[in-house]
Amino acid sequence: DAKTTQPNSMESNEEEPVHLPCNHSTISGTDYIHWYRQLPSQGPEYVIHGLTSNVNNRMASLAIAEDRKSSTLILHRATLRDAAVYYCILDSGGSNYKLTFGKGTLLTVNP
Amino acid sequence: DAGVIQSPRHEVTEMGQEVTLRCKPISGHNSLFWYRQTMMRGLELLIYFNNNVPIDDSGMPEDRFSAKMPNASFSTLKIQPSEPRDSAVYFCASSPLGLAGRKTQYFGPGTRLLVL
Repeated sequence: DAKTTQPNSMESNEEEPVHLPCNHSTISGTDYIHWYRQLPSQGPEYVIHGLTSNVNNRMASLAIAEDRKSSTLILHRATLRDAAVYYCILDSGGSNYKLTFGKGTLLTVNP
Repeated sequence: DAGVIQSPRHEVTEMGQEVTLRCKPISGHNSLFWYRQTMMRGLELLIYFNNNVPIDDSGMPEDRFSAKMPNASFSTLKIQPSEPRDSAVYFCASSPLGLAGRKTQYFGPGTRLLVL
């Protein structure tokens, strides 16, 4: 599976936008980009995914670079409840349903 | 709708004892995953099932670990005998089979296992 690189940690202030970067320079043309997050003492939860176009849902937006070698998860207004570890994962598709979680980015939100 | 249900939520046992973790996936989901999470190794996939059939168990650490899925609504992960290094949080997740790119996994709350 292609690898992703994320910063170990980031800080944000409450009610400000947060841009969480992810590099995936070896991504292939059919790899989907998934984002999950893990709140303290909980299991991971799905946030968003995309292939080529930018995506929006009620939780976040996903901006994908034109060459697809990087992507950014955007939280438009961070709240204290958004403090979590955020994982960027590539999904190679096909019949293999495995998702490989890296170390992710620990997001701290300051009040 | 109920999410993925895991039991027990916490388990404390002594080295050498058998431990059985249980998971009820979301109704209608065809795939089920068992993960283990520790500070040192992060979140690791142990095994996953499609339509109750084990597909990939390459993450199962050793013969002491076994997993079964006798039907679409129940799975177990068994450790026998348990060792202190098995202490971790074990997550179960389920997913509906779908087209590539739609492999959303829904995680349970986890079972926190401590082996003394």
